[in-house]
Amino acid sequence: SQTIHQWPATLVQPVGSPLSLECTVEGTSNPNLYWYRQAAGRGLQLLFYSVGIGQISSEVPQNLSASRPQDRQFILSSKKLLLSDSGFYLCAWSIREKLFFGSGTQLSVL
Amino acid sequence: GNSVTQMEGPVTLSEEAFLTINCTYTATGYPSLFWYVQYPGEGLQLLLKATKADDKGSNKGFEATYRKETTSFHLEKGSVQVSDSAVYFCPRRGDFNKFYFGSGTKLNVKP
Repeated sequence: SQTIHQWPATLVQPVGSPLSLECTVEGTSNPNLYWYRQAAGRGLQLLFYSVGIGQISSEVPQNLSASRPQDRQFILSSKKLLLSDSGFYLCAWSIREKLFFGSGTQLSVL
Repeated sequence: GNSVTQMEGPVTLSEEAFLTINCTYTATGYPSLFWYVQYPGEGLQLLLKATKADDKGSNKGFEATYRKETTSFHLEKGSVQVSDSAVYFCPRRGDFNKFYFGSGTKLNVKP
């Protein structure tokens, strides 16, 4: 069976510090991968998606970047965090018409 | 392109009340339709889906019927429980299996 791991579960970072959130999927190959952010008053927003290694598409302009160094690894990064980067970050993968989510990372930028 | 419109929340109900959360869509053809649920502090999970017109998706006592005549996919449950308190999403599915979720509808069930 397939599983998705996302860590850390919570993170508190100062403004201007770097960020690295990691997501890995097990039990499948060549999945489509996604990063979402859920922030108060803004709903669940699709940030990035990837259809393969090194293939990243950004949905919205922002202070973040994503990378996919391996088939089942998806990383969300920032060089310098902003206050507005606070939120609940969710990694997901898809098969056929279904989307499966990780347990999320609650990021607080102070 | 395809789009969905979901009723805004929050929705507050007493336990055992009847639930309806509206979702209407516009689309060319008959795309698959979905309901996802997010329990507090967790990621989203698929609740139910319907792949063609007149299909009924069901799970955990929830139902939704794909009605082409009204272009709707309303979520219903006959008797809600406190444990159903969550945020419910009726997303739009785009190419590359990208799902667009919006703000969802928050359901609060009181004992």
